[in-house]
Amino acid sequence: GENVEQHPSTLSVQEGDSAVIKCTYSDSASNYFPWYKQELGKRPQLIIDIRSNVGEKKDQRIAVTLNKTAKHFSLHITETQPEDSAVYFCAASHTGGFKTIFGAGTRLFVKA
Amino acid sequence: EAGVTQFPSHSVIEKGQTVTLRCDPISGHDNLYWYRRVMGKEIKFLLHFVKESKQDESGMPNNRFLAERTGGTYSTLKVQPAELEDSGVYFCASSPARNYEQYFGPGTRLTVT
Repeated sequence: GENVEQHPSTLSVQEGDSAVIKCTYSDSASNYFPWYKQELGKRPQLIIDIRSNVGEKKDQRIAVTLNKTAKHFSLHITETQPEDSAVYFCAASHTGGFKTIFGAGTRLFVKA
Repeated sequence: EAGVTQFPSHSVIEKGQTVTLRCDPISGHDNLYWYRRVMGKEIKFLLHFVKESKQDESGMPNNRFLAERTGGTYSTLKVQPAELEDSGVYFCASSPARNYEQYFGPGTRLTVT
């Protein structure tokens, strides 16, 4: 069946450094790739998403890249801050389906 | 605008009992999703409603789980009878369209003892 693999499961960086989280999807029909952030005790919230017609999207310190050939997409956070500490989930879905597949999550720690 | 709400926030039940979780989506959102997260694992898809119709329920673990969305507004997810492995956080999400941002509720933490 469809699956999304996410790495690493835990990531610890120093404040100001960059963080990269990688995901690989199996369903070649996937064309929508959102990233959600879940802070401790809160609900997951969308931080950025990308569709398959573009290879990269940026929003301030956050960027996402997509390689459709390799079925791989990544989240890049630059100049990390303590408030970036959270669990990040990648996901994949496609226009013709009704299912969204999530990765297992990456717990990011940003040390001040 | 009110966000997605879920009730209860926590539920502790014994194995063999029944529990019903409720989700109220954002008004006007036809798409409603149920997910479950077990500690440290992925947010696992359970099913997707479009209005009152189940479009994909391939993620439902077994026939002990029953989801409904009568009238296309709020949804309920019933677990009967509950087993230990049903423990986890159950999230509901809604969206105005498929393949679009989903707005999550705060989740219901279910513990089966």
